[in-house]
Amino acid sequence: AQSVTQLGSHVSVSEGALVLLRCNYSSSVPPYLFWYVQYPNQGLQLLLKYTTGATLVKGINGFEAEFKKSETSFHLTKPSAHMSDAAEYFCAVSDASGYSTLTFGKGTMLLVSP
Amino acid sequence: DAGVIQSPRHEVTEMGQEVTLRCKPISGHNSLFWYRQTMMRGLELLIYFNNNVPIDDSGMPEDRFSAKMPNASFSTLKIQPSEPRDSAVYFCASSSDRGQETQYFGPGTRLLVL
Repeated sequence: AQSVTQLGSHVSVSEGALVLLRCNYSSSVPPYLFWYVQYPNQGLQLLLKYTTGATLVKGINGFEAEFKKSETSFHLTKPSAHMSDAAEYFCAVSDASGYSTLTFGKGTMLLVSP
Repeated sequence: DAGVIQSPRHEVTEMGQEVTLRCKPISGHNSLFWYRQTMMRGLELLIYFNNNVPIDDSGMPEDRFSAKMPNASFSTLKIQPSEPRDSAVYFCASSSDRGQETQYFGPGTRLLVL
């Protein structure tokens, strides 16, 4: 069975500050890892994903995440927050050996203040 | 591409009534997912279809819920009879199969059962 833990249901940063959203996973097989973003009253949109290869993955809107197998982590970062980054962020894990079902974390709401 | 289309976007109904949610996946995608999102439970996978066949319905809460996919371009999620605790946002997502493939989400249906 797979699971995802996102530390912190809410994270607050100032505009221009570093964004760090934490995600730890458990999986009995090599995982595929995803970060999705959800803006108010919208569906989820893919930010980035890790499947194989380079462990540092770059996504849209300046976000990136690093897969660290030894730490079972896939933290999301952005060097400088923008007001438009305020949204809820979901980390998800997929079983690479089977069908494409995703297990999502509970989500982290990012608040950006001016 | 129009993306995943869901209808209706909002639904208000009274307890005991039948509710039908509809989804049109992205053309060419052969996997379809129904999710439910609530504040308390987060994002839950209800059922997953592959090539129009239900693969995993272990997330369907109870017999009041049923889902069908009569063809590759249409799926329904039905609740009969509806209860207030079914109030949630229901998302449909589609992908082109396998764990590394991105799931594309629709805008969701916001259901309120009075």
